[in-house]
Amino acid sequence: EAGVTQFPSHSVIEKGQTVTLRCDPISGHDNLYWYRRVMGKEIKFLLHFVKESKQDESGMPNNRFLAERTGGTYSTLKVQPAELEDSGVYFCASSQETAVKQYFGPGTRLTVL
Amino acid sequence: RKEVEQDPGPFNVPEGATVAFNCTYSNSASQSFFWYRQDCRKEPKLLMSVYSSGNEDGRFTAQLNRASQYISLLIRDSKLSDSATYLCVVTGGWGKLQFGAGTQVVVTP
Repeated sequence: EAGVTQFPSHSVIEKGQTVTLRCDPISGHDNLYWYRRVMGKEIKFLLHFVKESKQDESGMPNNRFLAERTGGTYSTLKVQPAELEDSGVYFCASSQETAVKQYFGPGTRLTVL
Repeated sequence: RKEVEQDPGPFNVPEGATVAFNCTYSNSASQSFFWYRQDCRKEPKLLMSVYSSGNEDGRFTAQLNRASQYISLLIRDSKLSDSATYLCVVTGGWGKLQFGAGTQVVVTP
């Protein structure tokens, strides 16, 4: 069974540019989560989809971040415009049901210069 | 105050020895508790869930103290491959995970 995949693995962009991260969850997993780890800090929750609906987006830093999950399959996280403090590793995770084991993808390492 | 607090370490452990560390959490409403393992530049991977009665998985033993809001992990007969960062994780609302910053364990030959 394929695990959670994320694309790209690395992205280097300049401040003010736009970047879109993609996450493909494990097939059949209705729950999809985005997390972020900035350097020197703990991993922090960003938001949670159940199928195509946003269940909880309390962790989204500001309105420069837009997450979508059209059709309830893969999800995208767009940062527009990117700022220096957005640099970090963005992890996606999925689970079959809420509040059970979450499987993490390998992450996208974002560097904003 | 952080939601989950951990000693960052590093804990330097001779191969074959036992190491134990814990974390504390602030959300008394948390229902589920986990230890994840993270290798350098890799994603977190679930090591084990933590149950109120305490549980073992091979060389790993986890304990939960709800009254004091702390969780512990003990590793027996440490292997070189146990070197990693161990993340204490609790659930917040709606299944979102709250992570500690991690405890680094270095097992030496």
